[in-house]
Amino acid sequence: GAVVSQHPSRVICKSGTSVKIECRSLDFQATTMFWYRQFPKQSLMLMATSNEGSKATYEQGVEKDKFLINHASLTLSTLTVTSAHPEDSSFYICSASLQRAEDTQYFGPGTRLTVL
Amino acid sequence: DQQVKQNSPSLSVQEGRISILNCDYTNSMFDYFLWYKKYPAEGPTFLISISSIKDKNEDGRFTVFLNKSAKHLSLHIVPSQPGDSAVYFCAASSNTGKLIFGQGTTLQVKP
Repeated sequence: GAVVSQHPSRVICKSGTSVKIECRSLDFQATTMFWYRQFPKQSLMLMATSNEGSKATYEQGVEKDKFLINHASLTLSTLTVTSAHPEDSSFYICSASLQRAEDTQYFGPGTRLTVL
Repeated sequence: DQQVKQNSPSLSVQEGRISILNCDYTNSMFDYFLWYKKYPAEGPTFLISISSIKDKNEDGRFTVFLNKSAKHLSLHIVPSQPGDSAVYFCAASSNTGKLIFGQGTTLQVKP
């Protein structure tokens, strides 16, 4: 089956630092990748959609300058949380679609970010 | 504006009985619905889906029912097993491919 990995699985950082999270599709090429965040006991909220080789499309209310997304290849997308603050602490999950955005999404295991 | 709602935050069921998880949506443009299962500190895993042209889809112990007029879908798990204990999210999408998730329902199946 389609496997998506994320690295790191957990990260603790100081306020003001930047953190990069990688999302990789291991056995397929993902034209489209999605980034979600989930607060405890809440729904997964879509942050942005990224297509390989083009700029990400951010959802309303998501700061594109704070959450930098790069989708440089068909198997790798990165999310960088810049100048992280405690309120950015959350569970970040990526997903990948095989070819088109409407294809089934395969999710990564998630990254738990804690900002002190 | 919660377009997809799971009004029951938790459900407890005895092993062997049926689990019924419910989901309501408001956007009539949604044409594809999915259920995901999620364990703590893991990403969601796809369970079953249904297109708006159908009203039922079955896969083993899992059946999803869609009532378009009521904008309601449900996931039936029968028989329920302790390993089914997890958080279940319903999600909906339109032709954009974006998934809108409900808040999740925590299912506990007691042995």
